[in-house]
Amino acid sequence: EDKVVQSPLSLVVHEGDTVTLNCSYEVTNFRSLLWYKQEKKAPTFLFMLTSSGIEKKSGRLSSILDKKELFSILNITATQTGDSAVYLCAVALYSGAGSYQLTFGKGTKLSVIP
Amino acid sequence: NAGVTQTPKFQVLKTGQSMTLQCAQDMNHEYMSWYRQDPGMGLRLIHYSVGAGITDQGEVPNGYNVSRSTTEDFPLRLLSAAPSQTSVYFCASSDRGRNTEAFFGQGTRLTVV
Repeated sequence: EDKVVQSPLSLVVHEGDTVTLNCSYEVTNFRSLLWYKQEKKAPTFLFMLTSSGIEKKSGRLSSILDKKELFSILNITATQTGDSAVYLCAVALYSGAGSYQLTFGKGTKLSVIP
Repeated sequence: NAGVTQTPKFQVLKTGQSMTLQCAQDMNHEYMSWYRQDPGMGLRLIHYSVGAGITDQGEVPNGYNVSRSTTEDFPLRLLSAAPSQTSVYFCASSDRGRNTEAFFGQGTRLTVV
């Protein structure tokens, strides 16, 4: 059974702190790993990673994938209250006939307090 | 640019009633999917489609039907609603050929009483 496990499930930090969110996976037919941010409504896309060791960056957020050890981390530096959200990790798996499925972890709820 | 549009945003059903959740996208994406999100469970795949006329089951398909007659639309039907189907439902679409980034609709909050 394909599994995506995120840790911690929740985290409370102060503004300005740096946080690291973890995502490990045990899947067959790996295609890519994606990170999403979910505030009150729909998840919004952050990063897609397909190759090990290549860091993706967007402002204060960065992410890296380790395909040998089967995990990814999402780093947020100098956190702000606007970073408060649930961060979702998903793995895209090949599912035959050129299609794929996304399997999500349960998410990490990040709360940033002033 | 509408992206992925879901209707309705909220719905209350009585046990045994049927209804259709609508999903439309205007990005000409081949791949569309339906997820449900329950507290502490993350997003779970219900059904997906890789193109018009092609659908397949995801992780939790029981109690739901789908069809894909056009590229743009992917409705989700609840045949006989049950309280266990109380959830938030998200529709998503992506460009299957290029990458796996999924664009999500704003969700439908369904309560079955």
